[in-house]
Amino acid sequence: AQSVAQPEDQVNVAEGNPLTVKCTYSVSGNPYLFWYVQYPNRGLQFLLKYITGDNLVKGSYGFEAEFNKSQTSFHLKKPSALVSDSALYFCAVRDGVTGGGNKLTFGTGTQLKVEL
Amino acid sequence: SAVISQKPSRDICQRGTSLTIQCQVDSQVTMMFWYRQQPGQSLTLIATANQGSEATYESGFVIDKFPISRPNLTFSTLTVSNMSPEDSSIYLCSVVGRSYNEQFFGPGTRLTVL
Repeated sequence: AQSVAQPEDQVNVAEGNPLTVKCTYSVSGNPYLFWYVQYPNRGLQFLLKYITGDNLVKGSYGFEAEFNKSQTSFHLKKPSALVSDSALYFCAVRDGVTGGGNKLTFGTGTQLKVEL
Repeated sequence: SAVISQKPSRDICQRGTSLTIQCQVDSQVTMMFWYRQQPGQSLTLIATANQGSEATYESGFVIDKFPISRPNLTFSTLTVSNMSPEDSSIYLCSVVGRSYNEQFFGPGTRLTVL
């Protein structure tokens, strides 16, 4: 079985400061990892993914994420937060070896609040 | 990326009634899914909508409660049957992109059951 943990329900950051949203995962095979963002009253938007290759993945809106196999983590980062980044962020995993039928398992979400 | 639309965007329904949600994609896709996002919670996969055959349901979800149709490669419907307040959720349609490594989501249907 595959699972994702997002240990923080909410992260508060001042605008201009770096931000990190944490994610750890568990899969039996190779992990395919994803970050999505959900703005109020909107659907999920794809931010970035890790399939293979460089551990540091760059995505939309200046976000990046670092894959750490030994720590089974895939934390989302941004060097300088914007108020407009305030949203709900979801980490998701799929088992790359078994395929999982393209079945994504989502974390519980982290509410990011960026303040002036 | 695929452009996905859902109808209705929101609805308020009475207990015991049924609602059918439509999902339309702007291109042919192989895999379509239906998810539920209960208030303040994460996304849970309801089922995989299979074109030309019965949907594949996840544990805890049954066809009688959530019948799904997929008549072609661009369209699917999810019906929430005999609704109760516990069915109040956002229901999202999702498709897998051409690379099979990206999954896109529709804007969701916000359902409130009174």
